[in-house]
Amino acid sequence: EIVLTQSPGTLSLSPGERATLSCRASQSVSSSYLAWYQQKPGQAPRLLVYGASSRATGIPDRFSGSGSGTDFTLTISRLEPEDFAVYYCQQYGSSPLTFGQGTKVEIK
Amino acid sequence: QVQLQESGPGLVKPSETLSLTCAVSDYSISSGYYWGWIRQPPGKGLEWIGTIHHSGSTYYNPSLKSRVTISVDTSKSQFSLKLSSVTAADTAVYYCARPRGYSYGDAFDIWGQGTMVTVSS
Repeated sequence: EIVLTQSPGTLSLSPGERATLSCRASQSVSSSYLAWYQQKPGQAPRLLVYGASSRATGIPDRFSGSGSGTDFTLTISRLEPEDFAVYYCQQYGSSPLTFGQGTKVEIK
Repeated sequence: QVQLQESGPGLVKPSETLSLTCAVSDYSISSGYYWGWIRQPPGKGLEWIGTIHHSGSTYYNPSLKSRVTISVDTSKSQFSLKLSSVTAADTAVYYCARPRGYSYGDAFDIWGQGTMVTVSS
């Protein structure tokens, strides 16, 4: 099973700042099958990025994903008020599908 | 736009079987795609439970495989989850979701709103 470790656990930033979230895999993720989700309280997760760097439909271009192998990054170029939430990475290159433990982006 | 809606009991007794259904609307489930279940314990992260193809092929998380059954009813455009011998550790929000591509192993782009299931006597 591929274990995904996200860092930091919490990121305290102000609107307009840049957010950089990390997801490290315990072994290489096949074909960069890595996704990122955003989750707000009481809501289902929303897919932001798949294939490590492809934005999902309707996702603003301030969200970008990068990385390969075992190290992946989600960058939010300029935080908007609605971006404060918890973010999860997920690998789907091997079974079982696994998620990271999440990074909370909170208002500083 | 495809929509998913979970339904089922919100309270299940320990050792009993948890049963949930996901209704799929605005899409014929028999047309293709896979359909999955994911859960999230209160205040914790996400865990993949398993995924089913419209043909009935299933893929389960090994950590739950001995207790999980996922089935599909194309005539009703719905798929179901059964989790047996539940304990308090199975208390969670249960989501149904659809992988974005034509593979069970894919990112999930469509999600239901989730349903909270509590295991307690």
